[in-house]
Amino acid sequence: DIVLTQSPDSLAVPLGERATINCKSSQMVLDSSNNREYLTWYQQKPGQPPKLLIYWASTRESGVPDRFSGSGSGTDFTLTISSLQAEDVAVYYCQQYYGTPFTFGQGTKLEIK
Amino acid sequence: QVQLQESGPRLVKPSETLSLTCTVSGGSISTYYWSWIRQPPGKGLEYIGSIYNNGATSYNPSLKSRVTISVDTSKNQFSLKLTSVTAADTAVYYCARRMLFDRWGQGTLVTVSS
Repeated sequence: DIVLTQSPDSLAVPLGERATINCKSSQMVLDSSNNREYLTWYQQKPGQPPKLLIYWASTRESGVPDRFSGSGSGTDFTLTISSLQAEDVAVYYCQQYYGTPFTFGQGTKLEIK
Repeated sequence: QVQLQESGPRLVKPSETLSLTCTVSGGSISTYYWSWIRQPPGKGLEYIGSIYNNGATSYNPSLKSRVTISVDTSKNQFSLKLTSVTAADTAVYYCARRMLFDRWGQGTLVTVSS
């Protein structure tokens, strides 16, 4: 199985500041035939299902604010929130869909400082 | 707008079979493929398995011996069966679309208890 390790486990950031969450994969999730990284990011608020934010490591899902961005390649990926808003308080997960079983990171809890 | 809705018993006895159905509305189940994911209370997400539009299935090896996912295209539904459940199977069970999970059901909490 591909293991995804997120860091940090929790993060407190002042409103309006940048938040950065990392996701390290135990192996590459790049399909060389299409040059795509098979990695997504989700946001989960209490009592709600996860919401897709980013796919192909850096493509923002329709309707997701542009303060959310994804980057990275190889085995290291990053989710960045450029200016933290109160509604961004949530748990964030990365997930790989390169190989089955699909796997998730353990989650990063983001709070306001 | 595609919507997914899980349904099934919320309480299952130990050693029995957990059965859930996901009803897809606003789009055909014959397109894309469909997955089950679960989340124990207060914990992270665990992939259970998928069924593809050609009927092929893929299961998490950690659950493979106990899981069956099937589809009923006439009802636009797909289903999960998990046998020989224990308390460790208590979780919110979600159905989702595609392998990058772009649409999710609201989830249903299934408790395993006598």
